[in-house]
Amino acid sequence: DIQMTQSPSSVSASVGDRVTITCRASQGSIRWLAWYQQKPGKAPKLLIYAASTLQSGVPSRFSGSGSGTDFTLTISSLQPEDFATYYCQQADSFPFTFGPGTKVDIK
Amino acid sequence: QVQLVESGGGLVKPGGSLRLSCAASGFSFSDYYMSWIRQAPGKGLEWVSYISTTGNTIYYADSVKGRFTISRDNAKNSLYLQMNSLRAEDTAVYYCARGAKSLDVWGQGTTVTVSS
Repeated sequence: DIQMTQSPSSVSASVGDRVTITCRASQGSIRWLAWYQQKPGKAPKLLIYAASTLQSGVPSRFSGSGSGTDFTLTISSLQPEDFATYYCQQADSFPFTFGPGTKVDIK
Repeated sequence: QVQLVESGGGLVKPGGSLRLSCAASGFSFSDYYMSWIRQAPGKGLEWVSYISTTGNTIYYADSVKGRFTISRDNAKNSLYLQMNSLRAEDTAVYYCARGAKSLDVWGQGTTVTVSS
């Protein structure tokens, strides 16, 4: 199975900050990498798919990059509604696996 | 609007069974792969299963293989998850989601608690 890791596990940031979250796959050359945002008590929301394609309706301050085994989610200017937990997921090989999550909270 | 609504969760004893349902509306259900994902209390997301548009292709996580069965009824715009031989570690919120490789619509989740 492909294991996904994320760093950091949590980050404290202020409104307006640039935030970068890293996701790494344990093997392979991943093409289908997605990023999700989850707020407490809510279902996850798709932000990015295929590593760098912004889902329709998602603000342009979110961007994804990377290839192979190393990927990045960047929030260019953190907004109050962005405080949440972020998960990466690989969908190249079964079982599809999620990273453990990165919690972004208020400094 | 595009919507997924799960139902069927509840409290069940270890070894028991439950059948989850997911009702889809606002889109052409039969055109989409569908998935189940779960989240144990205070934990991260775990992919459980997916099913192709016709039901001919199905995959399961190893943790549920042989105990859970995913199915769909395109005439009823519904997705199902039959869960047998439930264990304490199956306790989670279960979400249905549209898609396979990228999950672009999610339901609100239904809670399954396995406890004696």
